[in-house]
Amino acid sequence: SQKIEQNSEALNIQEGKTATLTCNYTNYSPAYLQWYRQDPGRGPVFLLLIRENEKEKRKERLKVTFDTTLKQSLFHITASQPADSATYLCALGGYNKLIFGAGTRLAVHP
Amino acid sequence: DVKVTQSSRYLVKRTGEKVFLECVQDMDHENMFWYRQDPGLGLRLIYFSYDVKMKEKGDIPEGYSVSREKKERFSLILESASTNQTSMYLCASSGGLAGLGVDTDTQYFGPGTRLTVL
Repeated sequence: SQKIEQNSEALNIQEGKTATLTCNYTNYSPAYLQWYRQDPGRGPVFLLLIRENEKEKRKERLKVTFDTTLKQSLFHITASQPADSATYLCALGGYNKLIFGAGTRLAVHP
Repeated sequence: DVKVTQSSRYLVKRTGEKVFLECVQDMDHENMFWYRQDPGLGLRLIYFSYDVKMKEKGDIPEGYSVSREKKERFSLILESASTNQTSMYLCASSGGLAGLGVDTDTQYFGPGTRLTVL
């Protein structure tokens, strides 16, 4: 069955540094991959989508890479701020539905 | 902006009760989804629907049923609630008219319903 792995341990970084989150997957060939942000007690909010034929996508301070050979996506937040503290979920897409990872909690310290 | 609303933020029910969770979206989306989210397990898909009166089982449909009588509304039903159904329930929708700059694969989530079954 499909498996998605995100770091279960929280990532703690200093304000201004670049945060890098990892999403690895097995037994699946997604048509696209998405990243969502989730704050405590709230539903996930879409951030970025990258398709299987794209290597990299950027949006403001966010960058996503997608390596279908390694079956891995990296999510970067540059110049991180305390307001970036949240849980970030990756999701594999295809056939009108998504398969979500458990998420990685990011804490940005002033 | 897309808006997905859920009928309750918090709900407490007793074992054996029938529970209805309602979800409404205002973007004319074709696809609607119900997930549950538990610590360490992420979001797991219960059921989804790609059209009115259509439904498909997700990964964990046991103990649940759904209803989609109107395009904007998708209901999740727990026929006889059990304590292992205590969880956060999230509804989402996606779709739209491709070619109009809309990313039809993005899912828009409601705020969630935290259900406790005693």
